[in-house]
Amino acid sequence: SQTIHQWPATLVQPVGSPLSLECTVEGTSNPNLYWYRQAAGRGLQLLFYSVGIGQISSEVPQNLSASRPQDRQFILSSKKLLLSDSGFYLCAWSVGGNTEAFFGQGTRLTVV
Amino acid sequence: QKEVEQNSGPLSVPEGAIASLNCTYSDRGSQSFFWYRQYSGKSPELIMFIYSNGDKEDGRFTAQLNKASQYVSLLIRDSQPSDSATYLCAVNLGRGSTLGRLYFGRGTQLTVWP
Repeated sequence: SQTIHQWPATLVQPVGSPLSLECTVEGTSNPNLYWYRQAAGRGLQLLFYSVGIGQISSEVPQNLSASRPQDRQFILSSKKLLLSDSGFYLCAWSVGGNTEAFFGQGTRLTVV
Repeated sequence: QKEVEQNSGPLSVPEGAIASLNCTYSDRGSQSFFWYRQYSGKSPELIMFIYSNGDKEDGRFTAQLNKASQYVSLLIRDSQPSDSATYLCAVNLGRGSTLGRLYFGRGTQLTVWP
């Protein structure tokens, strides 16, 4: 069966520090991978989407970047965090073009 | 950003009642529709998906889709306190450059009281 791992579960980082969140998927090949952010009082916002290794689409301009160095690995990064980067970050995967996405457990990031 | 709107709530119903959650979407080309449940502090979990106009039933849950009206709903029958959560509507455009991208509404918070 497919599983998705996302870590860490919680993170407190100072403003201006770098960020690296990692997500890996097991039990499937060539998944679509997503990074979402859920800020307080707001819905799930799609940040990045990837259909394959090295292929990244950005949904909104922001202080973040994403990379996909391996088929089942998706990384979210920032060189310098802002207060507004705080939120609940969720990695998700799907297979095919028209199907549901399954979420990891999420990382709650607080920038102080 | 693709618009997905949900009734803002919060919605409060007694145990055993029917809870009705609504969602509208702006892109007429949307292909597939999903309902997720999210407990506080947790990640969303899929409840149902629907692709075709009409109703789809799964246990106590019924999803309804009307593409002409760009409307999708979720009915929860015999609501239980354990159904108390935020319900997220999601839309997949399923075509072209946005194939596979899933867009979410802000969610409706449901409370089922004993």
